[in-house]
Amino acid sequence: GENVEQHPSTLSVQEGDSAVIKCTYSDSASNYFPWYKQELGKRPQLIIDIRSNVGEKKDQRIAVTLNKTAKHFSLHITETQPEDSAVYFCAVGYNQFYFGTGTSLTVIP
Amino acid sequence: SAVISQKPSRDICQRGTSLTIQCQVDSQVTMMFWYRQQPGQSLTLIATANQGSEATYESGFVIDKFPISRPNLTFSTLTVSNMSPEDSSIYLCSGRRGLNTEAFFGQGTRLTVV
Repeated sequence: GENVEQHPSTLSVQEGDSAVIKCTYSDSASNYFPWYKQELGKRPQLIIDIRSNVGEKKDQRIAVTLNKTAKHFSLHITETQPEDSAVYFCAVGYNQFYFGTGTSLTVIP
Repeated sequence: SAVISQKPSRDICQRGTSLTIQCQVDSQVTMMFWYRQQPGQSLTLIATANQGSEATYESGFVIDKFPISRPNLTFSTLTVSNMSPEDSSIYLCSGRRGLNTEAFFGQGTRLTVV
């Protein structure tokens, strides 16, 4: 299967600051790159995704950038709020999804 | 969003026994998958459930331990066989509507093996 690395594993930011999470992958055939947010005890929920024919996508405070040549993509959250505190997973795939190791984000009020 | 219903939501089982988890998805879902998420860890793909044929297993997972059925497009089961405490985990059913689309998840089955 795909090898997906995600960094950092934990991240603490002050409310209002930005947070950046990075993922790298190995299979150049992968062409779909979603990001999921998982709150404690709940199922993962999609927050944003990007396809391989696009370099950047933004949705309000959340953006994702993709460098397919270098096989890495990043999640950017601006103006962080306490409710952004959760575990974030990147995923990579074509048929199947393979998930990164996760980043526990804490936004300090 | 796709509707994915999974049951049971949790169970406590004796070692050596088996548990079957059921997953029902809506008719727009074409692809179904099973994941395992151990406490504090990421999601690990167990297998792709193929309609009417044998599931496609990921490295480290075998059919004898995790038999999967998908008799029709909208229903799948995962059995955890001959359980040991190491099988204690959350098992998640997932569905997609096609390639390049998001994965939706069931609410998960929290399994504890004692």
